[in-house]
Amino acid sequence: GAVVSQHPSWVICKSGTSVKIECRSLDFQATTMFWYRQFPKQSLMLMATSNEGSKATYEQGVEKDKFLINHASLTLSTLTVTSAHPEDSSFYICSARQDNYGYTFGSGTRLTVV
Amino acid sequence: AQKVTQAQTEISVVEKEDVTLDCVYETRDTTYYLFWYKQPPSGELVFLIRRNSFDEQNEISGRYSWNFQKSTSSFNFTITASQVVDSAVYFCALRGGGNKLTFGTGTQLKVEL
Repeated sequence: GAVVSQHPSWVICKSGTSVKIECRSLDFQATTMFWYRQFPKQSLMLMATSNEGSKATYEQGVEKDKFLINHASLTLSTLTVTSAHPEDSSFYICSARQDNYGYTFGSGTRLTVV
Repeated sequence: AQKVTQAQTEISVVEKEDVTLDCVYETRDTTYYLFWYKQPPSGELVFLIRRNSFDEQNEISGRYSWNFQKSTSSFNFTITASQVVDSAVYFCALRGGGNKLTFGTGTQLKVEL
């Protein structure tokens, strides 16, 4: 079946530094990937839609300059949290759209900014 | 605009009890897809089922069953003879005409011995 690999699983970084999270589709090409953020005991909130070879589409209220998304190939999308602050601590999950209606999710990245 | 409502924030049951998780959705699209995902404590989202708007047949998969009723815009999920391993957060989600999945707020299911 379709697999999406997300790395790292968890990361602790110092305030002010940047963190990059990778999302790879292992056995299929994903022209569209999605990045979500989930706070404890809350739902998944879509941050942005990542399209291969073009700029990401951000949801309202998501800072483009803070959450940089790059989708340079059909199997890789990256999310970089720039100048991270404690309030950016969260669980980030990516997903890839495999066909007309299927979505496969990565295992998530738990980011802690100290 | 799309919306998914999971009114049950948390449900606790004793093992072997049956439990139904409710999901009510809103969409103006005539073609749409409904999903259920399981999120165990480890965090990953486990796909359970996908249903398109033209297929109202109920589905059963082992101890899991789903009841899709367009008349009431509901897509409820029942676990029969619940087990401790079923403890997780369950999300209902909707995809309409666009690419995006809209998630409900989730239902935390706790199955105790």
